[in-house]
Amino acid sequence: NAGVTQTPKFQVLKTGQSMTLQCAQDMNHNSMYWYRQDPGMGLRLIYYSASEGTTDKGEVPNGYNVSRLNKREFSLRLESAAPSQTSVYFCASSEAGVSYEQYFGPGTRLTVT
Amino acid sequence: GENVGLHLPTLSVQEGDNSIINCAYSNSASDYFIWYKQESGKGPQFIIDIRSNMDKRQGQRVTVLLNKTVKHLSLQIAATQPGDSAVYFCAENTGGFKTIFGAGTRLFVKA
Repeated sequence: NAGVTQTPKFQVLKTGQSMTLQCAQDMNHNSMYWYRQDPGMGLRLIYYSASEGTTDKGEVPNGYNVSRLNKREFSLRLESAAPSQTSVYFCASSEAGVSYEQYFGPGTRLTVT
Repeated sequence: GENVGLHLPTLSVQEGDNSIINCAYSNSASDYFIWYKQESGKGPQFIIDIRSNMDKRQGQRVTVLLNKTVKHLSLQIAATQPGDSAVYFCAENTGGFKTIFGAGTRLFVKA
C-alpha cells in the first residue's frame, strides 16, 4: 500500500497562473484534507471532505477550490496563484468516526513568483 | 497553538535521556488531543492521542499527559534516540473534522 500520494512534489508558478494539486489514498478512508504549512508554523486546514460527495471550508480557504473526485482522490486547485500561496501543501486522510489519526502525504512544495 | 513565526522552540537532549515536549492549547471545548512527528522533508506522522476524559496515556516509549485545569499537554519520550530528531506538533480537536495544529517544537538529539 502506498498510503497517501501527492503530485507534483515541486512546482514553481508565476503570479496569476493556475494549477491543480493531486492527492490519492489507498486506505479506503472516508475523510480527506488539504493543509498548508508555512515556515516555522503548524499546519492550517484549507478544505476538507468528510465523505465522498461533500467538501467544506477550513481555516484558510480563500484562493482555493477542491474536488472530491471519488473516494480515493481529492484535488486542490489554485485558480490564480499569488505569492502569498507559496507554501508546502499536505494532503491527509482519516477514517473519521473511528479515529482522529490522520495519514499525511509527502507534500508539494509550491513557489509563486 | 501560538504562532512563533520562523523560530520554533527547540529542545536539545542527550541520546538516552528522556525528552519532555510541552504544549499549551487554547480551546477548553477541545475533546481530543494528538501528537504528530514531522521529519525533515516528510509529512507529519501520528504518534499518540488522548481524549479529554483521560489525564495520561502511554504508548511505545512515549507518554502523553493532559492537564485540563491549565490547558497543558506534554509528550514524554523515554530513552531518546537519534531517530527521534524531528519537529513535534500538538494538535487539538473539538470532535469534528477540524484539527488545529500548534506551531511545533524542534527536538535535537545529541549523540
